[in-house]
Amino acid sequence: DTGVSQNPRHKITKRGQNVTFRCDPISEHNRLYWYRQTLGQGPEFLTYFQNEAQLEKSRLLSDRFSAERPKGSFSTLEIQRTEQGDSAMYLCATHRVSETGELFFGEGSRLTVL
Amino acid sequence: DQQVKQNSPSLSVQEGRISILNCDYTNSMFDYFLWYKKYPAEGPTFLISISSIKDKNEDGRFTVFLNKSAKHLSLHIVPSQPGDSAVYFCAAKAGGTSYGKLTFGQGTILTVHP
Repeated sequence: DTGVSQNPRHKITKRGQNVTFRCDPISEHNRLYWYRQTLGQGPEFLTYFQNEAQLEKSRLLSDRFSAERPKGSFSTLEIQRTEQGDSAMYLCATHRVSETGELFFGEGSRLTVL
Repeated sequence: DQQVKQNSPSLSVQEGRISILNCDYTNSMFDYFLWYKKYPAEGPTFLISISSIKDKNEDGRFTVFLNKSAKHLSLHIVPSQPGDSAVYFCAAKAGGTSYGKLTFGQGTILTVHP
C-alpha cells in the first residue's frame, strides 16, 4: 500500500488520559500536515512539517498538543490530558513541496473522549 | 470566523443531470482553490483546482468556475452519476502560504439518485 497510513483508526479514551496518533506518509512526500475534523465541519489545519522541521502551528493547537516528525519520516500527534472537546477525526495529509495543492489524505484517526 | 462557506448542507440530483455545488469565501488573500470529495470512512481525495488568475478549469465531467469579484466558486458535475454521491469540500489557500495549508468549507452532501 503506497498511500498515507494512520493508526489507530479509532481510539476511545477517558477524559484526562493521553493519546498518540501515528501517520506514515507516502515515502517521497517531504511535507506532512495534521488536520482536525469535527462533525459537520470541514478539516481544520493544525500543523505541518517539511522533513523533520515543524514549520507552522495553528492557534487551534493548544499546549496539550504536540507533534513530531523524527528523521522526516513518520509523524506522531500526542494529546495530553484529553478533554471531551478533543473528540474529532484527526487527519494526516502529505505532498511533495514542489507540487501544487494536491494533498493526499490518510483515512484518519477518530478520537472519542468519554 | 468562517472564511470559506458552503451554504448548502446537502444537494439531491437525478442521475444524468447537472450537479452544481457552491462555495463563497471572504479572504481576498486566497489565490488557489480546490475541491475535495470524501466517501464515508475514507480521507478526502483531491478532485480539481483553480488558480485565482483563471476563471474556469475543466477535467472531464468536472468544471470549476471562479468569480473573484463575487468571491464565489462553483463545481459543476455533468452528467452526474450515482458514484458521485459523497461529501464535497471547497478549500482555499492564501498567497504566500504552503500549498498544503488549506481552509476548508463545511462540506455539501451530494446524493445522485439512479
